[in-house]
Amino acid sequence: KQEVTQIPAALSVPEGENLVLNCSFTDSAIYNLQWFRQDPGKGLTSLLLIQSSQREQTSGRLNASLDKSSGRSTLYIAASQPGDSATYLCAVFSGGYQKVTFGTGTKLQVIP
Amino acid sequence: EAGVAQSPRYKIIEKRQSVAFWCNPISGHATLYWYQQILGQGPKLLIQFQNNGVVDDSQLPKDRFSAERLKGVDSTLKIQPAKLEDSAVYLCASSYTGTVTYEQYFGPGTRLTVT
Repeated sequence: KQEVTQIPAALSVPEGENLVLNCSFTDSAIYNLQWFRQDPGKGLTSLLLIQSSQREQTSGRLNASLDKSSGRSTLYIAASQPGDSATYLCAVFSGGYQKVTFGTGTKLQVIP
Repeated sequence: EAGVAQSPRYKIIEKRQSVAFWCNPISGHATLYWYQQILGQGPKLLIQFQNNGVVDDSQLPKDRFSAERLKGVDSTLKIQPAKLEDSAVYLCASSYTGTVTYEQYFGPGTRLTVT
């Protein structure tokens, strides 16, 4: 059974700082890994999807990396802004029909 | 392109009552998912449809939850009877399975409060 862990559960940083969010998974036989952002009371917004054959993906100030062999992914946010404050979730696609398993999320607060 | 639509956005019911949620996925998306997200936790997959068929419902409490997807488009999720622990946000997502990625797109969710 796939298990996904995100550490830390919460993070508070001053504006402008670069930061890294972590996602670990127990079964390395994955198809894809997707990072999401969730604002309070809202649904999930897709940030980046990394296919199992890829090492990283970039979008603007975001960079996500994937190391399947060690069961890890990181989301790097450069020059953080108050608008980045949200909960960040990673989701792993594995098994038949690419079953999705989510982590518990990291709640990020960027202080102006 | 229209996103995933869900209704209602909010629902308050008493325990032992029944409730139904509706989801309309993005046009052309064959795969549809229902998730339950309890406050402070990540979403938990309840059921996954591929067109009309169920491909995973291993975490669906089948004694009280049911879901259907007619004609491979819209879907409804029903709870009967509701319990206090069913209070959560119910999220619907869809993905296009013409590629290998199964990238998911989410609706805004329905917040259910059971009193």
